Amino acid sequence: SQELEQSPQSLIVQEGKNLTINCTSSKTLYGLYWYKQKYGEGLIFLMMLQKGGEEKSHEKITAKLDEKKQQSSLHITASQPSHAGIYLCGADNNQGAQKLVFGQGTRLTINP
Amino acid sequence: GAGVSQSPSNKVTEKGKDVELRCDPISGHTALYWYRQSLGQGLEFLIYFQGNSAPDKSGLPSDRFSAERTGGSVSTLTIQRTQQEDSAVYLCASSFRRGSPLHFGNGTRLTVT
Repeated sequence: SQELEQSPQSLIVQEGKNLTINCTSSKTLYGLYWYKQKYGEGLIFLMMLQKGGEEKSHEKITAKLDEKKQQSSLHITASQPSHAGIYLCGADNNQGAQKLVFGQGTRLTINP
Repeated sequence: GAGVSQSPSNKVTEKGKDVELRCDPISGHTALYWYRQSLGQGLEFLIYFQGNSAPDKSGLPSDRFSAERTGGSVSTLTIQRTQQEDSAVYLCASSFRRGSPLHFGNGTRLTVT
């Protein structure tokens, strides 16, 4: 079965600094989704990537999918306290039902 | 509604009791999912409904867990004879079609004492 590994598991950065979170798959990714979760809340959809080499940006967050479609990165520029939370990557296993598999998440803390 | 709605938001129950968790998906979304998130763990897939097709139940951890989706809309996840290890946040999500992003509810936090 497809597994997703996220790194780092936790990250503490000073406000204003840039940061990157990685998501690596053991198999080809047919759809890669990035979500953000705050404590006690559901997952908020950030971006979806499907094509090798694809890159998408929203405000200060950029997500990329490599050409081989086995690794994705999420980059935050000039981090703000509002960026704090848990970031999860999810992938479509492209087998029958769209049963998204998720990584373990990266807990991001922004220090003022 | 505007988003996926789950109820109750919190549920505390005694070990051995049955519980029902409800999910109202976004109107028009044909796919509905249940996930479980335990403390410090990632999301664990439980069950998936797509239109009128037979649900994918491959993630249900035991036969104490069951789910229904009535009329292609509202879904209920039932846990019978709850155990302490069932304590977790149960998340529901819906999507418009395959390949569309999943939209999650805020979850039901279940605590089994």
